[in-house]
Amino acid sequence: AQSVTQPDIHITVSEGASLELRCNYSYGATPYLFWYVQSPGQGLQLLLKYFSGDTLVQGIKGFEAEFKRSQSSFNLRKPSVHWSDAAEYFCAVGGGSNYKLTFGKGTLLTVNP
Amino acid sequence: SQTIHQWPATLVQPVGSPLSLECTVEGTSNPNLYWYRQAAGRGLQLLFYSVGIGQISSEVPQNLSASRPQDRQFILSSKKLLLSDSGFYLCAWGPDQDQYFGPGTRLLVL
Repeated sequence: AQSVTQPDIHITVSEGASLELRCNYSYGATPYLFWYVQSPGQGLQLLLKYFSGDTLVQGIKGFEAEFKRSQSSFNLRKPSVHWSDAAEYFCAVGGGSNYKLTFGKGTLLTVNP
Repeated sequence: SQTIHQWPATLVQPVGSPLSLECTVEGTSNPNLYWYRQAAGRGLQLLFYSVGIGQISSEVPQNLSASRPQDRQFILSSKKLLLSDSGFYLCAWGPDQDQYFGPGTRLLVL
């Protein structure tokens, strides 16, 4: 069965600092990997995705993620965090013929001024 | 471009009352459609998904049901709500592996 682990429930960073959110997955075949962001009371917005090819993926809002097959990881990074990045971030894995995604429990990001 | 709508945005219902949440997608045809529930601190729980009209799969046995009366319309229903049905309900659509989410419906069962 596929699964996603986001080890950090809550991360606090200062505005302008770099950010890395961790994601580890379990999947029996080549995974499709996603990062979503959710602001309070809103739906989820797709930040970036990895299907194949270059293992460093660029997304919206200055985010990037790196797929490391040997570590079963897909960590999200941003070099300089803005106050507007405060939100909850979800990692997800999929790839089956039924197009289902399995989500992690999320990491809440707080940005201090 | 494609857009996804959900309504109502917020709903307060008494225990034992019926439920109908609606989701529609514009700008695409034959999308995969999904219903999720999000409870505080528990991430997203997939409730139902549909890869075509008349094809609905249930992920979690419960007192909810889903229907897809039209290609781009997905309905979540219940005959009798339970307190535990409270939560944030999200609809999503996808052309294939991607999923794009609607704004959600906040349901409070009292």
